[in-house]
Amino acid sequence: GESVGLHLPTLSVQEGDNSIINCAYSNSASDYFIWYKQESGKGPQFIIDIRSNMDKRQGQRVTVLLNKTVKHLSLQIAATQPGDSAVYFCAETLTGTASKLTFGTGTRLQVTL
Amino acid sequence: EPEVTQTPSHQVTQMGQEVILRCVPISNHLYFYWYRQILGQKVEFLVSFYNNEISEKSEIFDDQFSVERPDGSNFTLKIRSTKLEDSAMYFCASLGAETQYFGPGTRLLVL
Repeated sequence: GESVGLHLPTLSVQEGDNSIINCAYSNSASDYFIWYKQESGKGPQFIIDIRSNMDKRQGQRVTVLLNKTVKHLSLQIAATQPGDSAVYFCAETLTGTASKLTFGTGTRLQVTL
Repeated sequence: EPEVTQTPSHQVTQMGQEVILRCVPISNHLYFYWYRQILGQKVEFLVSFYNNEISEKSEIFDDQFSVERPDGSNFTLKIRSTKLEDSAMYFCASLGAETQYFGPGTRLLVL
C-alpha cells in the first residue's frame, strides 16, 4: 500500500487575513529561489521567484522575502482567499546551470471562511 | 499558455513490471527533468536531461531507471522492474528562461 508520509506543518487563516509561510533553505551557494503552490493531485505551480541579489520581491497579492544571512525565505499572501488553500513549497537552485531544484518540506495553507 | 503534459495520469502495475511514463515538455524548452513525490512528502529530484544526455542524476536514479527523448516532443521515464517503494507521483518539468514548469504528474501505484 501507500506509505504514510510526514505530517506537513499547517497554517490556518481566515479568509481576508494575510498569510505568512516560512522556509529554511539549505545551500548557501543557491542564488535563485522559487515558491510553488501545489493543489491536491496536481503538479507544483510557479508563484513567484527571487534572486539572491534582492531581499524582497512583490507580485500580485504575494511578496517574497529573502534573508541570506540566516538562509530563510518567506511568502506573504495578502487578503487570503479560499482558492489559496494548497501546499506551498520553496525551492532553491543555482542560476545559469540548469541545475536541479531542491525543495523544502512544504506548508499546508488552510483558508477558513 | 503552453503547458507540460504527462500521460498517463494514473498507472497501477505489479511489482517487477516495467513502466514507461510519458511527458511532452513545453515546445521551445531545452532542459527537461523528472521529479518524484512520495505521498505526503516533498518533491525530490531524479534526473535532468539536455541535448539527448543526462546532465545530472540523484542517488535515487539507479540502474532501474532510464530516460529517453525518442522524438522531437516526448520525454520518457522508464522504470525497468518496479518495486513497492517506487509508488509515488512522478512529475516532469521543463526549463524556461530560469524557472522550471511542472506537468500535472503521473500517480504510480506498485502492488
